[in-house]
Amino acid sequence: QKEVEQNSGPLSVPEGAIASLNCTYSDRVSQSFFWYRQYSGKSPELIMSIYSNGDKEDGRFTAQLNKASQYVSLLIRDSQPSDSATYLCAVMSNTDKLIFGTGTRLQVFP
Amino acid sequence: DAGVIQSPRHEVTEMGQEVTLRCKPISGHNSLFWYRQTMMRGLELLIYFNNNVPIDDSGMPEDRFSAKMPNASFSTLKIQPSEPRDSAVYFCASSRRQGNTGELFFGEGSRLTVL
Repeated sequence: QKEVEQNSGPLSVPEGAIASLNCTYSDRVSQSFFWYRQYSGKSPELIMSIYSNGDKEDGRFTAQLNKASQYVSLLIRDSQPSDSATYLCAVMSNTDKLIFGTGTRLQVFP
Repeated sequence: DAGVIQSPRHEVTEMGQEVTLRCKPISGHNSLFWYRQTMMRGLELLIYFNNNVPIDDSGMPEDRFSAKMPNASFSTLKIQPSEPRDSAVYFCASSRRQGNTGELFFGEGSRLTVL
C-alpha cells in the first residue's frame, strides 16, 4: 500500500462547478496534511494546510480532514480554467518526512 | 524577496558522466530539501538539511548520489556516475522553520536527461 494515495485523474469539471479531490494515507499517527498545486512544467506551491479534524476554508478552497478514516480532501468552489493543474496531497510522516501522493490532474473546461 | 534558485534548469548528459545540481535557498530559511519527481513515482524526498546539517538521507537512492550544504545559502546534489534511470526533475525546496513542517517553497527545478 502506498503511503499517500490519490486518483491520478484527470478530473474534468465545468467552469463554476465544485471540484472534489481526494486523498488517503496509511500512517495513522500523521498529524499534518497539505495540499500543493502544480501547474504543468512548474514547481509545486502550497495552497492549504490542515491539522485538525473537520473543515478549513480559505477563499474558494476548503480542506477536509477525517483522521479516523485517514482521509483528506480538497474542495474547489466556483472552479475556474485557471485552476487546471495537478493537485498534490502531502502528509507529514512520523519520521518527520513530507510524503507526497502522485497527484490528481484537474481540468476545468469553459 | 527572491525565491529558491536552482541551476541548471536543464541538463542533458550521457550515461557515466558526473552531474552537479545547485540550489540557493531563500535567505533566512533554516531547512533545505532535495526532491526528485518522475511520472511513475511522483515527488520523492532524497535528503534534507537543518542549519546546513544533513538530517535524513534515507531517500538517497544509492551511493552514486551525494549532497552537501557547505553554508546557509548553497547546496549541491551530485550524481556520479549518472544512469538513464536518474532522468527526472530535481527540485530543491526550503522552509523557514526548523525541521520539516510541510510548508515548503520550491525552486523551479532542474530537468535532468541521461542518455
